[in-house]
Amino acid sequence: AQTVTQSQPEMSVQEAETVTLSCTYDTSESDYYLFWYKQPPSRQMILVIRQEAYKQQNATENRFSVNFQKAAKSFSLKISDSQLGDAAMYFCAYIDLLPDGAGKSTFGDGTTLTVKP
Amino acid sequence: GAVVSQHPSWVICKSGTSVKIECRSLDFQATTMFWYRQFPKQSLMLMATSNEGSKATYEQGVEKDKFLINHASLTLSTLTVTSAHPEDSSFYICSVGDTYNEQFFGPGTRLTVL
Repeated sequence: AQTVTQSQPEMSVQEAETVTLSCTYDTSESDYYLFWYKQPPSRQMILVIRQEAYKQQNATENRFSVNFQKAAKSFSLKISDSQLGDAAMYFCAYIDLLPDGAGKSTFGDGTTLTVKP
Repeated sequence: GAVVSQHPSWVICKSGTSVKIECRSLDFQATTMFWYRQFPKQSLMLMATSNEGSKATYEQGVEKDKFLINHASLTLSTLTVTSAHPEDSSFYICSVGDTYNEQFFGPGTRLTVL
């Protein structure tokens, strides 16, 4: 079974600074997807960024980027120029790649990010 | 991405009663929907995978007779918590899986069993 580990239960960052959230996973598959989701106090899950395992290039979305190390099974999220609205719980998720898109996901335990003004 | 709604957003019920939670995919025909349970400040735990027109696939440790899932159409899946007890109080979230293996989440339903 796949496992996802987020070793940082809590992190804090000063506004406008950069922070990196770590995530490691374990799988025997070669094709899969990795995601970072954000869950603010409203508890609505919001997709932050996704990475296909077959792509070597690290995904970026504006201030959010990942460092995907497939051999090391590591998938960290870097948030640049942190904003107060970035404060939330962040979940790393793994999804098997299935042809019909029905892959189920495994979530890490989450990292609570605090942004200090 | 798909827009997913859940109803109700919060429900309070007495112990022993049954509660139905609806998950609707508003703009996407969802062959597959997922149901999660989340305790405060904890991760999402997958309860079951709901497949349109067939029986749901439950994760190990999830009681099928306790959590009844019906996925009768491509836009609606329901989760019924039968004979609810206080330990069933939790936050229940559904998601829709698209053909690119991405999941779109509903806003969640808070269940409180007195």
